[in-house]
Amino acid sequence: GENVEQHPSTLSVQEGDSAVIKCTYSDSASNYFPWYKQELGKGPQLIIDIRSNVGEKKDQRIAVTLNKTAKHFSLHITETQPEDSAVYFCAASYSGLVFGKGTKLTVNP
Amino acid sequence: GAVVSQHPSWVICKSGTSVKIECRSLDFQATTMFWYRQFPKQSLMLMATSNEGSKATYEQGVEKDKFLINHASLTLSTLTVTSAHPEDSSFYICSARQGALNEQFFGPGTRLTVL
Repeated sequence: GENVEQHPSTLSVQEGDSAVIKCTYSDSASNYFPWYKQELGKGPQLIIDIRSNVGEKKDQRIAVTLNKTAKHFSLHITETQPEDSAVYFCAASYSGLVFGKGTKLTVNP
Repeated sequence: GAVVSQHPSWVICKSGTSVKIECRSLDFQATTMFWYRQFPKQSLMLMATSNEGSKATYEQGVEKDKFLINHASLTLSTLTVTSAHPEDSSFYICSARQGALNEQFFGPGTRLTVL
């Protein structure tokens, strides 16, 4: 089955800096790669996703890149703000979602 | 659009009782709903997948007789934790998917505490 590795587990940046979170997956059949933001005590919120026929997608300060050959995808957040502080999960899917272990991002003012 | 609700948001129960959690897709028809469990500071673990009108498919290690899932309509799925014990205390999150699209929309979660 699918296995998703996510790094780093924790990330601390200064406000205004960029943050990058990386994930690798094992199943070459996976074709959908969403990223979720989860705040304490809440359900995950989809922030951006990418499909296997696309290499990069951007939405304002957030971007995701996908390298199908290497089976890895990354989340890039630019101009970070304190409200970006949360746990971020990557996931890979062919039919159901398999999640990475999460990255706790802290943006220091 | 794509709003998923859960009820209750939190519940405290005594050991040995059963608890039902509802998951509703408010503005779309969900042919497939998923139930996840999340322990503190851990990732989401898929418990089961349910398609409307069919029996749920449980992940390995999840007891189907303990975690009863019903997906009787295109907008409602329920998870019943039967004879709950303290080790069942967790954050239970549902998600819903429309048709064959990959996107899953998550509910806000239900915090279950079993005393």
